[in-house]
Amino acid sequence: AQSVTQPDIHITVSEGASLELRCNYSYGATPYLFWYVQSPGQGLQLLLKYFSGDTLVQGIKGFEAEFKRSQSSFNLRKPSVHWSDAAEYFCAVGGNTDKLIFGTGTRLQVFP
Amino acid sequence: DTEVTQTPKHLVMGMTNKKSLKCEQHMGHRAMYWYKQKAKKPPELMFVYSYEKLSINESVPSRFSPECPNSSLLNLHLHALQPEDSALYLCASSQDWGQVKFFGPGTRLTVL
Repeated sequence: AQSVTQPDIHITVSEGASLELRCNYSYGATPYLFWYVQSPGQGLQLLLKYFSGDTLVQGIKGFEAEFKRSQSSFNLRKPSVHWSDAAEYFCAVGGNTDKLIFGTGTRLQVFP
Repeated sequence: DTEVTQTPKHLVMGMTNKKSLKCEQHMGHRAMYWYKQKAKKPPELMFVYSYEKLSINESVPSRFSPECPNSSLLNLHLHALQPEDSALYLCASSQDWGQVKFFGPGTRLTVL
């Protein structure tokens, strides 16, 4: 079955600290992987995507993610978190079916 | 123009009302989507239009009726909704089938 797991429902970090949000996927074919961010009451903004090639991808707002096929993971990282990064983060997997499968999300809280 | 717009931002309707949600994009994208998002949940796919034709209906109740009048516009007609249909309705578009999806800000729907 195709699925995305985000094990951490809620993460709290101090401003300036590093961040890693975990994402594991199960997908039968070659996966297309995405990270989206959603501020309260807003739509989803694409942070970064992986289709093929270099397994370390850079995104907007200083985020990066690494695709590890052997671990079926696509973790999101940021070296230094800003208060404005507080939001809900969704990992998603897609492919040739055009159905985007989302994880349940990780809520990030940032303390000053 | 690199965004997806949605109107209205908020909508309150009774169970006997008929209303419509509107989505517009001017990026030349040929695929458009409706998603429903309940509070603290990930978005769930409802409909996919590809080249102005309905290609996916995720077994959505008939009280939701999508329409794609042209390649830039996507409507969602609502009739006889239930209170449990209250949610954030997100529109998205992508250049083509299976490509990166860009989301609008959503319409917050409340059914009384």
